Amino acid sequence: ELKVEQNPLFLSMQEGKNYTIYCNYSTTSDRLYWYRQDPGKSLESLFVLLSNGAVKQEGRLMASLDTKARLSTLHITAAVHDLSATYFCAVGTSGTYKYIFGTGTRLKVLA
Amino acid sequence: NAGVTQTPKFQVLKTGQSMTLQCAQDMNHNSMYWYRQDPGMGLRLIYYSASEGTTDKGEVPNGYNVSRLNKREFSLRLESAAPSQTSVYFCASSEEARGVGGYTFGSGTRLTVV
Repeated sequence: ELKVEQNPLFLSMQEGKNYTIYCNYSTTSDRLYWYRQDPGKSLESLFVLLSNGAVKQEGRLMASLDTKARLSTLHITAAVHDLSATYFCAVGTSGTYKYIFGTGTRLKVLA
Repeated sequence: NAGVTQTPKFQVLKTGQSMTLQCAQDMNHNSMYWYRQDPGMGLRLIYYSASEGTTDKGEVPNGYNVSRLNKREFSLRLESAAPSQTSVYFCASSEEARGVGGYTFGSGTRLTVV
């Protein structure tokens, strides 16, 4: 059974600092997604990672995928307050439509 | 440019009451999904519809039923609501089979069962 773990669960960081959120999963997968959720809002798609070594970047966020290690990272560069949100990874089970979400990382960027 | 529209946004039910959550998408997507979000548990898949005319169970289907009314609409029904079904419900759709392109989520329905 596919399990997805994110860490840390909570992250408070100063503006301008760098940090990484980790997403580990337990079985083979061919798809991994990162989403952002603002408080009381819906989820917004950030990145789709489909192959080993895939790297996607958008602004101050960069996501990567290592399928051999079953690990994805979301790296934040020079954080700004607007990045404060909860970030979820979601992993697709090969051959099915089922996606397992991590528990989320609540990020707070302090001015 | 509506995307995925869910109704209602908020609902309070008494234990044992029934209700249907509505979801419609205007992006001509093939696949639609219902998730529930509970604190500290991420999102869990309730049911999904890979294409018009098909539905399948997800991780937590007990207590729910779904109907894929047509390509646009996918409803979730609670036949006899229980306090354990208090949650935020999200509908989502994806263009490609197995959601390779990622999901588009609705704005959510906050349901409280008392």
